[in-house]
Amino acid sequence: AQSVAQPEDQVNVAEGNPLTVKCTYSVSGNPYLFWYVQYPNRGLQFLLKYITGDNLVKGSYGFEAEFNKSQTSFHLKKPSALVSDSALYFCAVRGDSGAGSYQLTFGKGTKLSVIP
Amino acid sequence: DADVTQTPRNRITKTGKRIMLECSQTKGHDRMYWYRQDPGLGLRLIYYSFDVKDINKGEISDGYSVSRQAQAKFSLSLESAIPNQTALYFCATSDIKDRAGANVLTFGAGSRLTVL
Repeated sequence: AQSVAQPEDQVNVAEGNPLTVKCTYSVSGNPYLFWYVQYPNRGLQFLLKYITGDNLVKGSYGFEAEFNKSQTSFHLKKPSALVSDSALYFCAVRGDSGAGSYQLTFGKGTKLSVIP
Repeated sequence: DADVTQTPRNRITKTGKRIMLECSQTKGHDRMYWYRQDPGLGLRLIYYSFDVKDINKGEISDGYSVSRQAQAKFSLSLESAIPNQTALYFCATSDIKDRAGANVLTFGAGSRLTVL
């Protein structure tokens, strides 16, 4: 079965500092990896994805994520945090083979707070 | 208008009542999903549908049923609501033709259900 772990329930970072939100995964076959963001009282919004190719993926709002196959990780990063980045972030994965591989599995979410 | 519209946005009901949450989309996507979000548990898949004639159970389908009335409409029913079904429910869609996107989901704003 596929799974996603987001080891930190909350991440606090000062405005202007770099931020990292961690994600590790387990999946059959090759992974399709995603980050979504949820602002208060809103649905989830797609940020970025890794399917294949370069390990560093760039997405919306200046976010990027680095795929590391050996560590089975897909950490979300941003060089300089903004207060408006404060939100709940979800990592998600699906595999390209095996039962249920077309279903996305989400992590439990990490609350990011950017402190002015 | 939103691409994925959920109604109602908020609902308070009593144990044993039948509840229907509705979802409609203007994305033209074939695939539709119902997820449930609980604090600390992330999103869990309840049901999904790849087209009008294709309905599949997700991770936590017990106590729920769905109906795909048309390509654009997918409703979730709780036949006899119970308090532990209190949660935030999300409808989502994805494009079957989006091979490169590989399941990028578009979410509705959510329906908050409270069962007393």
